[in-house]
Amino acid sequence: NAGVTQTPKFQVLKTGQSMTLQCAQDMNHNSMYWYRQDPGMGLRLIYYSASEGTTDKGEVPNGYNVSRLNKREFSLRLESAAPSQTSVYFCASRDRRSYEQYFGPGTRLTVT
Amino acid sequence: AQTVTQSQPEMSVQEAETVTLSCTYDTSESDYYLFWYKQPPSRQMILVIRQEAYKQQNATENRFSVNFQKAAKSFSLKISDSQLGDAAMYFCAYRSGERNAGGTSYGKLTFGQGTILTVHP
Repeated sequence: NAGVTQTPKFQVLKTGQSMTLQCAQDMNHNSMYWYRQDPGMGLRLIYYSASEGTTDKGEVPNGYNVSRLNKREFSLRLESAAPSQTSVYFCASRDRRSYEQYFGPGTRLTVT
Repeated sequence: AQTVTQSQPEMSVQEAETVTLSCTYDTSESDYYLFWYKQPPSRQMILVIRQEAYKQQNATENRFSVNFQKAAKSFSLKISDSQLGDAAMYFCAYRSGERNAGGTSYGKLTFGQGTILTVHP
């Protein structure tokens, strides 16, 4: 099993460009999450999807949109990238009966 | 909203010694879970240990143990017999017991700022 996969691993964008971060899990998990990690601030929740067909805002949703395409895939879109969105982005998934969230390897995004 | 605070940006320990990482949290809930995650330079997030708030007994996983003080809202991680492979960023995290109308936990995590642990040979 691959677990949680994310693409791309690295990306550089110019201010105003758009892009979509892809996330997929092969563990048949119901819930999926997007976090961003910034120095000195830990990981902060951007959006989550408690189950297929639902999405909800987390702590820092501004500037982002998400799509729960199916049970496996949960994408994060930046419509107009800003330097403040320079960060490492993590996707995670969880089975409803489990304590543990399984994290992907992260995407390092730089906006210039 | 819940907050999690790790007041030690950096800690260091000699190999084979013991180190304790601190974490405090603020919540008005009675049903919640606490976690310690390890993030090595590879960036991968690895669950180290968890604690259910309703359990009085402190969790233990091999060389890792916690000191859970519910009234003080404190959740520290003790690493015994430290090894070079323990060097990493450590995050304390809080998960609410809040559930949706269907009874499913949202499972959202609130993280502390992280503590960088250095292990000296």
